[in-house]
Amino acid sequence: EAGVTQFPSHSVIEKGQTVTLRCDPISGHDNLYWYRRVMGKEIKFLLHFVKESKQDESGMPNNRFLAERTGGTYSTLKVQPAELEDSGVYFCASSQGPQGPVSGNTIYFGEGSWLTVV
Amino acid sequence: QKEVEQNSGPLSVPEGAIASLNCTYSDRGSQSFFWYRQYSGKSPELIMSIYSNGDKEDGRFTAQLNKASQYVSLLIRDSQPSDSATYLCAVKRGNAGNMLTFGGGTRLMVKP
Repeated sequence: EAGVTQFPSHSVIEKGQTVTLRCDPISGHDNLYWYRRVMGKEIKFLLHFVKESKQDESGMPNNRFLAERTGGTYSTLKVQPAELEDSGVYFCASSQGPQGPVSGNTIYFGEGSWLTVV
Repeated sequence: QKEVEQNSGPLSVPEGAIASLNCTYSDRGSQSFFWYRQYSGKSPELIMSIYSNGDKEDGRFTAQLNKASQYVSLLIRDSQPSDSATYLCAVKRGNAGNMLTFGGGTRLMVKP
């Protein structure tokens, strides 16, 4: 079974440009999450989709970030315009349901998309 | 104060020894606790979850939770060089959907 796949794995863009990151969750996983880790900081939650609906977007830093999940399959995260402080690793993750003691579901992470803004 | 705190390390242990990784959290509403292992450049991988006070064992791994002290730990017995990685502690509030709050991670080095 394929895991969570992310594209591109690495991206270097200039400040002010636009970048779109793509995530393909594990097949059948309705829950999709975006997290990011900026240099020297911990991994932080950005948002959570259930199918095509945004369940929680409380971690989105500002309106330069736009996440979509049309059709409830793959998701994109667009940064426009990119700023230097956006550099970091953007992780996508997916799960069948809530990760917890009752469900037994596990959140699986992708390897991340490394973004460098210069 | 960070919500989830871990010593960044590196924690160096000899092969065969017990590695002890610690994590404290500030939110008393946290109800679910997870340990992820991340090899350099790879995805975080869930290795242990714990939801109630006490110990939970799985193979060479033991997770320990003390909610009163807001403390969770991971013990790795018979450490192997292949255990060398960054270990991330993550917590989740009971009613906060699926949002995980991560610590900064502890880098473990197991020396042959």
